[in-house]
Amino acid sequence: GAGVSQSPSNKVTEKGKDVELRCDPISGHTALYWYRQSLGQGLEFLIYFQGNSAPDKSGLPSDRFSAERTGGSVSTLTIQRTQQEDSAVYLCASSPGQSLNEQFFGPGTRLTVL
Amino acid sequence: GDSVTQMEGPVTLSEEAFLTINCTYTATGYPSLFWYVQYPGEGLQLLLKATKADDKGSNKGFEATYRKETTSFHLEKGSVQVSDSAVYFCALSDQGFQKLVFGTGTRLLVSP
Repeated sequence: GAGVSQSPSNKVTEKGKDVELRCDPISGHTALYWYRQSLGQGLEFLIYFQGNSAPDKSGLPSDRFSAERTGGSVSTLTIQRTQQEDSAVYLCASSPGQSLNEQFFGPGTRLTVL
Repeated sequence: GDSVTQMEGPVTLSEEAFLTINCTYTATGYPSLFWYVQYPGEGLQLLLKATKADDKGSNKGFEATYRKETTSFHLEKGSVQVSDSAVYFCALSDQGFQKLVFGTGTRLLVSP
């Protein structure tokens, strides 16, 4: 079946511009996660959505980062006024949402801020 | 906060050699432990997991045992193949499998 998909696969933007990254989780998965993979910081948790509960935003690095999840499915990660240090691969994962469930990762979006 | 430390790479081995990638963790409570693998050009995939002390996770010939006394979860394989070349990430999660905390990753290169 279809896995987690992310778009775009690559995004090049200029410093100061806003970007939106999209994640389509596996159908029926109630939990959705965003992570960032960068050379300097490794893999970092950003934000977690579970059903209709308030998201866990504890990993967002600054108020320039925000995310929403519409209808309990598709999620969009928005970075405002991008900086060069935002350059990274942004990974989305989903899981069925109950305990002991594996997180399934998408292929990621590579963001380059010039 | 919680953290994971794993050996730096790259680890370079010949085919059929024995593999160990060390992983230790720091966590409050009783985390679940994971190894994820990222093959070239592909996304992260779960390789194996263990949810409580002394559990052994295994998959594709890889094994790791949850050692609470040494806070470790070392990855081993008795005979590596060229197709095992990838980046391996150790990770932990607590409180019902919410966010994962990853190590920095270890690149494995296996030559014929």
